[in-house]
Amino acid sequence: SQQGEEDPQALSIQEGENATMNCSYKTSINNLQWYRQNSGRGLVHLILIRSNEREKHSGRLRVTLDTSKKSSSLLITASRAADTASYFCATDTYGNKLVFGAGTILRVKS
Amino acid sequence: AAGVIQSPRHLIKEKRETATLKCYPIPRHDTVYWYQQGPGQDPQFLISFYEKMQSDKGSIPDRFSAQQFSDYHSELNMSSLELGDSALYFCASSLNGRISYNEQFFGPGTRLTVL
Repeated sequence: SQQGEEDPQALSIQEGENATMNCSYKTSINNLQWYRQNSGRGLVHLILIRSNEREKHSGRLRVTLDTSKKSSSLLITASRAADTASYFCATDTYGNKLVFGAGTILRVKS
Repeated sequence: AAGVIQSPRHLIKEKRETATLKCYPIPRHDTVYWYQQGPGQDPQFLISFYEKMQSDKGSIPDRFSAQQFSDYHSELNMSSLELGDSALYFCASSLNGRISYNEQFFGPGTRLTVL
């Protein structure tokens, strides 16, 4: 990936458990966005966190951003089978284009 | 709510042929982006347009060209197709691409297969 790494690369959990995915990046950013992708289909925008924000919530999603460590995490609480997908972080580095991380494959078993 | 529309959804071409992918952004969005996602890869930025002018360029081969039209729709033209061009091509749009917070909404993608 151009920007950084996501870990873990793959995560398998039981329905109802929480899932945490991490993203690291290399350059200064304007904002960081998380996307979900189901099996080679479209990218669904989940949440955007600005560089001056530290935490943001949206439903069962919680995103944190630590600009000093150049890292972000996505927490999905009370996971469901329908959350099974690939999750990508993407950074906006003031150039408008998004630079994506390598993605985490999440599998939620029912 | 209206989303980004891409056509066609699937396209099969032979090597050395040409292909044209179309993107219709969300109404009133003024910026369009093209990304390429190879199998098992993360999306890679190709090119973007703001108010019909090219605003940024990424790893787009010289064989590819793109433009944004007066109605804000965009087309990605790909010539002399190679096997390695087989990928998912995404279009995304945003409003006021030049302001600070650039939330991009993606279309469903066009799956291009080059045989």
